[in-house]
Amino acid sequence: AQTVTQSQPEMSVQEAETVTLSCTYDTSENNYYLFWYKQPPSRQMILVIRQEAYKQQNATENRFSVNFQKAAKSFSLKISDSQLGDTAMYFCAFMKHVASGGSNYKLTFGKGTLLTVNP
Amino acid sequence: SQTIHQWPATLVQPVGSPLSLECTVEGTSNPNLYWYRQAAGRGLQLLFYSVGIGQISSEVPQNLSASRPQDRQFILSSKKLLLSDSGFYLCAYKQRGNTIYFGEGSWLTVV
Repeated sequence: AQTVTQSQPEMSVQEAETVTLSCTYDTSENNYYLFWYKQPPSRQMILVIRQEAYKQQNATENRFSVNFQKAAKSFSLKISDSQLGDTAMYFCAFMKHVASGGSNYKLTFGKGTLLTVNP
Repeated sequence: SQTIHQWPATLVQPVGSPLSLECTVEGTSNPNLYWYRQAAGRGLQLLFYSVGIGQISSEVPQNLSASRPQDRQFILSSKKLLLSDSGFYLCAYKQRGNTIYFGEGSWLTVV
């Protein structure tokens, strides 16, 4: 079974600074997807960024970028120019294809990192 | 564009009462649908997923059930709620781009 580990339960950063959230995963699969989701106080789960395992280039989305190290099974999220609205719980997630009688994909989540951006 | 909605947003139910949470997706056809639960703490646990009408797979044995009566409708139910069923429930769908998107969530408190 796949596992996703986020070793930092809580982190804080000053507004406008850069912060990196860590994530490692364990899998024997070669083709899979990795995601970072953000869960603000409203509790809605919002996609931040995704990475396909077959792509060597690290994904970027505006101020958000990842450092994907496939051999090390590491997938960290860097947030640049942190803003107060970035305060949220951040979840790392892994998805592989599960071909059990039909096409399907399932997400496995880490336990999350609570990020607080301080003014 | 695709959208996903779930309701009710908040629910307080007594122990032993029934439950029905509904989720609908618009703007897509034949999506994969999911129910997740987030208990006090943090982690999300996959409860059920569906690849088509009437096709339900359960991830963990529990007091809950799911149904998919229509292509874009996913329902989470219970005949008799337990205190341990309290939590935040999230419906989600997968589109062709292999990304899973979530609804707004439903808070369930069993008292």
